[in-house]
Amino acid sequence: DGGITQSPKYLFRKEGQNVTLSCEQNLNHDAMYWYRQDPGQGLRLIYYSQIVNDFQKGDIAEGYSVSREKKESFPLTVTSAQKNPTAFYLCASSMSLNTEAFFGQGTRLTVV
Amino acid sequence: SQELEQSPQSLIVQEGKNLTINCTSSKTLYGLYWYKQKYGEGLIFLMMLQKGGEEKSHEKITAKLDEKKQQSSLHITASQPSHAGIYLCGAGLLYNNNDMRFGAGTRLTVKP
Repeated sequence: DGGITQSPKYLFRKEGQNVTLSCEQNLNHDAMYWYRQDPGQGLRLIYYSQIVNDFQKGDIAEGYSVSREKKESFPLTVTSAQKNPTAFYLCASSMSLNTEAFFGQGTRLTVV
Repeated sequence: SQELEQSPQSLIVQEGKNLTINCTSSKTLYGLYWYKQKYGEGLIFLMMLQKGGEEKSHEKITAKLDEKKQQSSLHITASQPSHAGIYLCGAGLLYNNNDMRFGAGTRLTVKP
């Protein structure tokens, strides 16, 4: 079945460590996105990519990094520079401009 | 600040009642999307509106985009407990801009 998969569902990280969240899609979508969601807040855009080997910063890119080496994959690395990384992270993809985005089930990251 | 303003932030209704959620932008909306999210999960696509004055319905949920394409409403008729969740509107705010932004969401509770 086609879809977008995030892993892991839950992730614990010690302070000072980098951690990478996986996002894979088999929908043949060109665009992919990473959002962060905090309790009681909407989604805030971290990074997005419209094509392979290209990505753009969103509103809250500081402390995060991404890569888009393959069309299907858009991993997000939360670095030690991110001061408040505990949050729910959502990955999405869309075919093109003005088409709906499909979301993964999210990864809940907790810094301990 | 949110580019998309949703109201109300939360809503508690008795089962069987109708309700409306609003989404407002100061910019022209090129593609307005409604999503539903259950706590701790990904977003489920509901509907997309593109044309001024457009209206779409799915089961008991109707979404409208005003003529000026700056406000959308989501109306649920005869609400059921299964309608409970967080409703988010999302939009690509600038033409040829693929970085979709979201409102803060409306948390809906339906009391049996």
